[in-house]
Amino acid sequence: AQSVSQHNHHVILSEAASLELGCNYSYGGTVNLFWYVQYPGQHLQLLLKYFSGDPLVKGIKGFEAEFIKSKFSFNLRKPSVQWSDTAEYFCAVKSDNNNDMRFGAGTRLTVKP
Amino acid sequence: KAGVTQTPRYLIKTRGQQVTLSCSPISGHRSVSWYQQTPGQGLQFLFEYFSETQRNKGNFPGRFSGRQFSNSRSEMNVSTLELGDSALYLCASSLESGPVEYFGAGTRLSVL
Repeated sequence: AQSVSQHNHHVILSEAASLELGCNYSYGGTVNLFWYVQYPGQHLQLLLKYFSGDPLVKGIKGFEAEFIKSKFSFNLRKPSVQWSDTAEYFCAVKSDNNNDMRFGAGTRLTVKP
Repeated sequence: KAGVTQTPRYLIKTRGQQVTLSCSPISGHRSVSWYQQTPGQGLQFLFEYFSETQRNKGNFPGRFSGRQFSNSRSEMNVSTLELGDSALYLCASSLESGPVEYFGAGTRLSVL
């Protein structure tokens, strides 16, 4: 079955630490990949997306993600996190085979000041 | 421009009742998708509407239904509510039937 896996449920970091959140998917064929963020009490927002081309994608607020096709992965990274990055992060995949987007379970990030 | 608008923001219902949620997409967007978000199951796709037609449906029972109007506004209906239907219901819109970029704030449904 098609699925999206986020390995870390809760990550706790200190400010200025580097961040990497894992995301793996099990779709075959062409995929579009996304990371969304949900700050406490706010809407889901799109952080970045990958459709094609350069597998290293830069998004808002200093986030980036790398698509590694051979590993079916789309990990989210940020070199130096801030307290304001405390939020829940969701990876999502849309394949060409269907019209719906599948989301991972989410990773809660807590950044200590 | 205005974002995705969902009404109401909060709802409290009892088991067995039915409920209708509303979503107004961003102006010009023709695709509306609905998601259920719960702590245990995360974000789960309910269905997508495009130009008044349901294009895709997730793995939810027939008690969950929806429709889209000619102005792209969409409604979602849940009949015979169960306790497990308590969740945040999110609506998202996009220009065409494609990846979702814009979510609404959601309707938080509590079933007692």
